Formats: sequence, structure tokens, C-alpha cells
Amino acid sequence: EVVMTQSPATLSVSPGEGATLSCRASQSVGTNLAWYQQKPGQAPRLLIYGASIRATGIPVRFSGSGSGTEFTLSIDSLQSEDFAVYHCQQYNKWPPLSFGGGTKVDIK
Amino acid sequence: QVHLEESGPGLVQPSGTLSLTCTVSGVSVRNGGYFWGWIRQPPGKGLEWIGSIYYSGITYYKPSLQSRVTISVDTSKNQVFLNLTSVTAADTAVYYCASPGGTEALDYWGQGTRVTVSS
Repeated sequence: EVVMTQSPATLSVSPGEGATLSCRASQSVGTNLAWYQQKPGQAPRLLIYGASIRATGIPVRFSGSGSGTEFTLSIDSLQSEDFAVYHCQQYNKWPPLSFGGGTKVDIK
Repeated sequence: QVHLEESGPGLVQPSGTLSLTCTVSGVSVRNGGYFWGWIRQPPGKGLEWIGSIYYSGITYYKPSLQSRVTISVDTSKNQVFLNLTSVTAADTAVYYCASPGGTEALDYWGQGTRVTVSS
């Protein structure tokens, strides 16, 4: 099973600042990596797939990078609606599909 | 537009069976480009994949849940089902059904249904 580890668990950011979230895989997943955003009481929403491809309708301030075992989600100039929990997920080697534990981005 | 909606009892007795339905609209569950998955999220925790089913009927389950889980499809009703037996408090969670669309990730999610295991 591929274990996904996200860091940090919580990231405090001021509105307008940038944020960088990390996701590490226990073995190579190529670029078969997705990022999701989840707000309280809502289902996750796909942001990035293929490690760096923005899903339909996702603003350009969200960008993903990385391959193999190390991945990054960057958010430029955080807006109020960006404060949420972010999950990474690998779909390279499954079953099982595996998610990271999540990173909460909150207001500093 | 693809829409998924979960439904089922919000409360299940310990040692009982959790049974949920995911009603799909906008695409046939027999569409060969899709699989249908169940994911859960315990309170305050991360996402956990439970299992998935392809249109062909092939299923994959999380190994630690495999002895208790069954996922099935009713093509006539365009629905996907989850059965989880011998539940305990550890199965308390929000349960989501989800599916890929044009990507290989999970493009489509239901709104989730909260299930509590308690007597």
C-alpha cells in the first residue's frame, strides 16, 4: 500500500499571502497524484490531477508540481474562500486508493 | 452534468449492517469510462477509501475492510450500493460516493451522508 503523508498538518496564512503544501508518497506514484479542497460540511472538490493539471474551473492561483514521491500544492495570494482543508491522493498503484491526512489552511 | 447523491439510515446499531445507496444521474453506471467508489471520513479525520466497482462488476476493496464490505450496482435504477457488516463505533463517519470523469482522479462526489453507529 502506498502511504501518503502531508505536511504541515496546519498552515496559518494571512489573506493575500501565498501558501505551499507538501505531500509525500512512500513509493513512486509517477504523476498520478491529485489534490482536493474540502470546506466544512462539504464534499471534497478536485483541484489538481496528474500532479499539475488544474481541473475544470479551478483558478490559476492554484498550481501543483512534483513527481515520483514529492509533491507540492501552491496557492498564490490566498482569498477568503481558499481557507479549507487540502487532501492529496495517489491513484498510481491501487487498490487501495490512498489519501494523505490533510493540511488545514487557516487564517493567521 | 453528473450528479451523485447518497442516502441511507443515519443511525446503525453496533454489530448491525450499514447499507447506503448512491443514486447517479447524468451518466449511466454502465459507462465503461467510470468506476464508482465509496470513501468515508470519520469525524475530524482524513479521507479513507473503502472500495470501488467497475461497470463490469469487478470490485476492489480496502484490505482491512474486505471481509465486511460489499459494493454492488443496479443498472436498471442507476444506483450504487454499499453494505458494511458487523459495524462498530469506528465505522461512524460521513460516507461519500465518488467517481472519475475525464480524469483518473475523483472528479465527481456526492454531498455525503453521515452515519453514526450507536445503540
